[in-house]
Amino acid sequence: QKEVEQDPGPLSVPEGAIVSLNCTYSNSAFQYFMWYRQYSRKGPELLMYTYSSGNKEDGRFTAQVDKSSKYISLFIRDSQPSDSATYLCAMSGYNKLIFGAGTRLAVHP
Amino acid sequence: GAVVSQHPSWVICKSGTSVKIECRSLDFQATTMFWYRQFPKQSLMLMATSNEGSKATYEQGVEKDKFLINHASLTLSTLTVTSAHPEDSSFYICSAGPTGAGANVLTFGAGSRLTVL
Repeated sequence: QKEVEQDPGPLSVPEGAIVSLNCTYSNSAFQYFMWYRQYSRKGPELLMYTYSSGNKEDGRFTAQVDKSSKYISLFIRDSQPSDSATYLCAMSGYNKLIFGAGTRLAVHP
Repeated sequence: GAVVSQHPSWVICKSGTSVKIECRSLDFQATTMFWYRQFPKQSLMLMATSNEGSKATYEQGVEKDKFLINHASLTLSTLTVTSAHPEDSSFYICSAGPTGAGANVLTFGAGSRLTVL
């Protein structure tokens, strides 16, 4: 079993839709939970991070962490074509950062 | 915010030559930097952890003699791909976080695309 599981997609949604991206993990030692966005041929860009459980909101983006279920989510409201990218979840907790496989998102006009 | 600069962004080299990629933290000091490799449509694979002033820690299966890492200062780590071959062609990305943050909440460079002919 992989430490971090993420559905690679692709996920295709119409502009304006609410997008839900998810990851599950197996290691309870993880304390930091991150979401990165990666455009083609670019390095990952940190979108949001959360320490321990809870919700965090930043503009159209909301990150949720449920440590009891070992499940994290990223919600994108009012999705835009410019949101089309690969979204990677990442977790750390013992001086090592583990990435999910990434979900490819396409938002079409 | 934290900025990580990576250079070059794209390099083409002949088989058998060596290529050096630089990773700099521009506005913070980083005791530790991380090097990743990414193949098309795949996730990032951690290659090694670069430690300032000491030897790098390599992940299982990564040849340390082929991928030389030097972390000579708190703001610079370099990855040298020695005797490159076409199968080394990939996207190499470095990341770093402020000293004390460990592997938590890293900032990534823009990546370096290596093509070996």
